[in-house]
Amino acid sequence: GESVGLHLPTLSVQEGDNSIINCAYSNSASDYFIWYKQESGKGPQFIIDIRSNMDKRQGQRVTVLLNKTVKHLSLQIAATQPGDSAVYFCAEKTAYKYIFGTGTRLKVLA
Amino acid sequence: DGGITQSPKYLFRKEGQNVTLSCEQNLNHDAMYWYRQDPGQGLRLIYYSQIVNDFQKGDIAEGYSVSREKKESFPLTVTSAQKNPTAFYLCASSSATGNYGYTFGSGTRLTVV
Repeated sequence: GESVGLHLPTLSVQEGDNSIINCAYSNSASDYFIWYKQESGKGPQFIIDIRSNMDKRQGQRVTVLLNKTVKHLSLQIAATQPGDSAVYFCAEKTAYKYIFGTGTRLKVLA
Repeated sequence: DGGITQSPKYLFRKEGQNVTLSCEQNLNHDAMYWYRQDPGQGLRLIYYSQIVNDFQKGDIAEGYSVSREKKESFPLTVTSAQKNPTAFYLCASSSATGNYGYTFGSGTRLTVV
């Protein structure tokens, strides 16, 4: 069946280091992907998106990479800050709906 | 500012009671959604509506009901038939096509007491 998953449930990173959060998707027909950030007790916030006709997209301190060959999506956060501590999850758009991953908790160590 | 508002932030329900969670958006979005979020699980779709006066069941609709009488509003009722209602509930909205993703509300945490 369709699934969106993450390799690591928790990622601990030293402040100032780069973070990489991974996501595997199973539906090769998915044409649009989003990374969301969710802080404790709050709703998810859009971080960055990428369409299937792209391999890489950069935002402010964040980069999303898409490897369609292996159906893999990653989120890179440069110079991780304490405010980056949250759960990050990916979403894939297939036809009319989105499928959401379970999330990775990012912990930033001082 | 445009956005999507959920209320209340915290809600307590006694056994056998129905409770209604509010969701209002002023983004002029056609589509609205209700998701349930449990620890360690991805978002699970309860109900969605792509147009006023129409809505469809999602993956876990049993024990829930919704209405869409206005474009801006999509309330969710958690009925007594929902055996395990304690969870974090998220409302979202999007354009009709869903392009550019969903805008989420801040959530309602429902606890059965």
